[in-house]
Amino acid sequence: SQKIEQNSEALNIQEGKTATLTCNYTNYSPAYLQWYRQDPGRGPVFLLLIRENEKEKRKERLKVTFDTTLKQSLFHITASQPADSATYLCAPPTGGYNKLIFGAGTRLAVHP
Amino acid sequence: GAVVSQHPSWVICKSGTSVKIECRSLDFQATTMFWYRQFPKQSLMLMATSNEGSKATYEQGVEKDKFLINHASLTLSTLTVTSAHPEDSSFYICSAGGAGIVDSGANVLTFGAGSRLTVL
Repeated sequence: SQKIEQNSEALNIQEGKTATLTCNYTNYSPAYLQWYRQDPGRGPVFLLLIRENEKEKRKERLKVTFDTTLKQSLFHITASQPADSATYLCAPPTGGYNKLIFGAGTRLAVHP
Repeated sequence: GAVVSQHPSWVICKSGTSVKIECRSLDFQATTMFWYRQFPKQSLMLMATSNEGSKATYEQGVEKDKFLINHASLTLSTLTVTSAHPEDSSFYICSAGGAGIVDSGANVLTFGAGSRLTVL
């Protein structure tokens, strides 16, 4: 069955450093993959989408890569700030209606 | 930007009662909405796909008679948890695609703020 894996352990980094989060998927080949941010008690917010024919995508301090050979996407936040602390979810589509399935998410904590 | 409004944001009810959660797309039309539930420190689990004017499509293992979904208009979908029990206590989140976030061919979702249900 289709599976999405994100590092379930929290990632703690120092302010100003680059945070790198990993999303691995198995048993299928999504045409694209999305990343969302979720704050406690809130719904997720869309950040970036990367397609299978794109190696890399950037938006301000965010960068996403998509390696279809490794079946992996990396999500980078450069010059991280405490306000970046949240849970980050990767979500490839599956099935009809382009339903999104979500990984468990990685909680990022940026310390001053 | 695109906004999905979800109401109520939290609700406490007695076991055996029914609870209705509303999900509205405020400035766009959503022919399809998705309902998720999330337990503490776990990921979002897709419950069902809500289609305007037709029956919802439920994911495997989700009881359609317990979680009634109605998508009567292009801007409103409702989820009713019938005969709620403590194990139904969870964070329910709706989402809609095709909003102001433009990425043709991809289903970028706008989420509501979620509804926390506590069943006593």
